[in-house]
Amino acid sequence: DAMVIQNPRYQVTQFGKPVTLSCSQTLNHNVMYWYQQKSSQAPKLLFHYYDKDFNNEADTPDNFQSRRPNTSFCFLDIRSPGLGDAAMYLCATSRDFGSGAEETQYFGPGTRLLVL
Amino acid sequence: AQSVTQPDIHITVSEGASLELRCNYSYGATPYLFWYVQSPGQGLQLLLKYFSGDTLVQGIKGFEAEFKRSQSSFNLRKPSVHWSDAAEYFCAVGVDPSYDKVIFGPGTSLSVIP
Repeated sequence: DAMVIQNPRYQVTQFGKPVTLSCSQTLNHNVMYWYQQKSSQAPKLLFHYYDKDFNNEADTPDNFQSRRPNTSFCFLDIRSPGLGDAAMYLCATSRDFGSGAEETQYFGPGTRLLVL
Repeated sequence: AQSVTQPDIHITVSEGASLELRCNYSYGATPYLFWYVQSPGQGLQLLLKYFSGDTLVQGIKGFEAEFKRSQSSFNLRKPSVHWSDAAEYFCAVGVDPSYDKVIFGPGTSLSVIP
């Protein structure tokens, strides 16, 4: 039944050591999103893919990159994690969008990243 | 600029009592509005959404919300709260009709007293 899957649920990395978080979906949705959510804060959009088209938010640090090798999978790469990057990372998908489209984002359970 | 405010950071209610969580938005056009719930350590689950039509929207788990354009509000209500409703609640607005970008409010944390 799982629709948006994130692995692992918890990730521990060292300061400056590259880390990759993964997201997969069984919904065949065109759009995939990555959010960062720090403690007691709202999710903040980092970037999204519409099919293979990548769209970066203006204030997303260069330290964050993403890959989407196919429809089902999307990866978040943090090249040199800092202590401030410790957060919950949420993946979401939506079927499509367009003017007037009534689309909803479906969220995965998140990966909590700890930076030592 | 588009924004979402949730005036109540934290609310405590007794089990069985009614609940209203407030949400106000700032957006120039007709908004798409959502309420999500997040249990501790979990992802976000959609409770309900408003895109057009009837301004009173029914959602899952007995929740409803009413869109009031004149007040730029989309308050979430439940007539009788259950202990399992304790969670973080986020109001969100879809801000760009050309793609599905949403802006989240800061969230309201709900505690339920037995």
